[in-house]
Amino acid sequence: DADVTQTPRNRITKTGKRIMLECSQTKGHDRMYWYRQDPGLGLQLIYYSFDVKDINKGEISDGYSVSRQAQAKFSLSLESAIPNQTALYFCATGLAGGQEQFFGPGTRLTVL
Amino acid sequence: GENVEQHPSTLSVQEGDSAVIKCTYSDSASNYFPWYKQELGKRPQLIIDIRSNVGEKKDQRIAVTLNKTAKHFSLHITETQPEDSAVYFCAASRNFGNEKLTFGTGTRLTIIP
Repeated sequence: DADVTQTPRNRITKTGKRIMLECSQTKGHDRMYWYRQDPGLGLQLIYYSFDVKDINKGEISDGYSVSRQAQAKFSLSLESAIPNQTALYFCATGLAGGQEQFFGPGTRLTVL
Repeated sequence: GENVEQHPSTLSVQEGDSAVIKCTYSDSASNYFPWYKQELGKRPQLIIDIRSNVGEKKDQRIAVTLNKTAKHFSLHITETQPEDSAVYFCAASRNFGNEKLTFGTGTRLTIIP
């Protein structure tokens, strides 16, 4: 089945380290999103991309960067991780003209 | 930008009773309102959505209502079952969902057997 996958699924790192979270999809969707989930704060949009040459900041982009390497791949980087970036990170995809977003399984990141 | 508020943050109901979750939005240009369900340890999944040209939409035990004038929309679950226990998120978007979604903060629904 076509799916959205994320690697790694869990990561523990130290303050100041550079971290990359990767998202791949076989759905053939052109739109990709990165969200952060914290208890009581819902899903907050970090960055989104409507095609390979299009990158947009979301609500909470400070401290994060992204790369859309191909239509199927969208990576999220933390250049210098800090403890308050400890959270569950979700990648999602969608079709232009469509409405539903399809989420990956999530990456649990802990910054010590 | 859009701001979506969701209430309550937690909700417990007896199995078989109804549950209602409410959301308000701030951007009068928003016209697409989906609801996502996230079971424990799982990814969010769309369960129902509504567009601004419709006041109500039903899918079996789930319904969503929209009041554009008051800028609020609600999720109604009837005859609740244990498998309805999850976190529910409302969201809003312009251009019938063809733009980014702004999510509410979530409601943890617990069904008491």
